[in-house]
Amino acid sequence: QQQVKQSPQSLIVQKGGISIINCAYENTAFDYFPWYQQFPGKGPALLIAIRPDVSEKKEGRFTISFNKSAKQFSLHIMDSQPGDSATYFCAASSDAGGTSYGKLTFGQGTILTVHP
Amino acid sequence: NAGVMQNPRHLVRRRGQEARLRCSPMKGHSHVYWYRQLPEEGLKFMVYLQKENIIDESGMPKERFSAEFPKEGPSILRIQQVVRGDSAAYFCASSPPFGWETQYFGPGTRLLVL
Repeated sequence: QQQVKQSPQSLIVQKGGISIINCAYENTAFDYFPWYQQFPGKGPALLIAIRPDVSEKKEGRFTISFNKSAKQFSLHIMDSQPGDSATYFCAASSDAGGTSYGKLTFGQGTILTVHP
Repeated sequence: NAGVMQNPRHLVRRRGQEARLRCSPMKGHSHVYWYRQLPEEGLKFMVYLQKENIIDESGMPKERFSAEFPKEGPSILRIQQVVRGDSAAYFCASSPPFGWETQYFGPGTRLLVL
């Protein structure tokens, strides 16, 4: 119930291409879906996030698409750059019972490599 | 405004020793979360604390692990009698009192148990 499944495990894209990473969840109580970017030796950094009341959110080259009925969401990186090479994690959390807290359930991560 | 600070960045312990990991949240943040990242895996929630209170410790192993966030000073994750399986990266995150969704992560402590 608490799992978030992420795919692919690794992804290689040419510079300028589109990177797409997918996640699926089971717990229908989840109502907040962030994506984190992590460089080697660093902590995860929040990239973009969405709530289920919208189907898409775009920030610069990064877009989240959300399908509530399928319980899936994805990250699209347009015009991928070598500097985007990192590990990407999807996550989900819920505002449990009105007590706001942010226990994040993470996907397994996707290692993105963008070739110049 | 300094980010989330963790120390030490690297910690080496022998089996049976104690490990103490410290986390100073961002200024003004009163919520602290600890996550563990095993090699080649995603982050797993361990515990959520507010000042002087443990709110959710559902991800903490039942034995040897404890956490605190005192009124003054950093949050501490304590691992007693470490075993090789405790080797991992431990990340702390903090969020403000309102706006809990946005968690800011520290650089992590890499624990190696020999």
